Amino acid sequence: DAGITQSPRHKVTETGTPVTLRCHQTENHRYMYWYRQDPGHGLRLIHYSYGVKDTDKGEVSDGYSVSRSKTEDFLLTLESATSSQTSVYFCAISPQNEQFFGPGTRLTVL
Amino acid sequence: KQEVTQIPAALSVPEGENLVLNCSFTDSAIYNLQWFRQDPGKGLTSLLLIQSSQREQTSGRLNASLDKSSGRSTLYIAASQPGDSATYLCASGGGGADGLTFGKGTHLIIQP
Repeated sequence: DAGITQSPRHKVTETGTPVTLRCHQTENHRYMYWYRQDPGHGLRLIHYSYGVKDTDKGEVSDGYSVSRSKTEDFLLTLESATSSQTSVYFCAISPQNEQFFGPGTRLTVL
Repeated sequence: KQEVTQIPAALSVPEGENLVLNCSFTDSAIYNLQWFRQDPGKGLTSLLLIQSSQREQTSGRLNASLDKSSGRSTLYIAASQPGDSATYLCASGGGGADGLTFGKGTHLIIQP
């Protein structure tokens, strides 16, 4: 157990609404990541963080923002959700180069 | 841009067979390569991590190899069991804060 939780685990929302997903770790690791997983595309990196208030964009960052005000929490925000953002979202941490993943959040945008 | 490919996309074998899953990557300047298992509707479980300076890693019935010069990694599963049925993902890492670049996975079914 890598000590990663994600909330909510499932969410259904409507197009145009803001959505925030939370990733929480219990082990104070410096590096945290957000990925999305879609059929036919596999997992793709959205944003990552290398410390409190230090974040950067990944491969598919358009339409997403992140914040990290505490070491243990990494938030992913969809400012105005679109149907193309329907996906499963995974958070990961990286102690000593190996990445460990959370249980995922299944988001449906209607 | 790194690209990771996994072949085959799906594989079905009888229980007890030894099998090899393949992973190839386009940029040999990787820092490490990680193999994961994903069960349906679940998260990813890390199986093995191979650093760029290593050639292989072993855990129980699993052995992963890395050949940077040819841009290939293989995951060897010995004496397969029905419980090994899952999707296996490989991912290359650039080190530091870099995220992973994933292949699309091999869906493995072990027939009892």
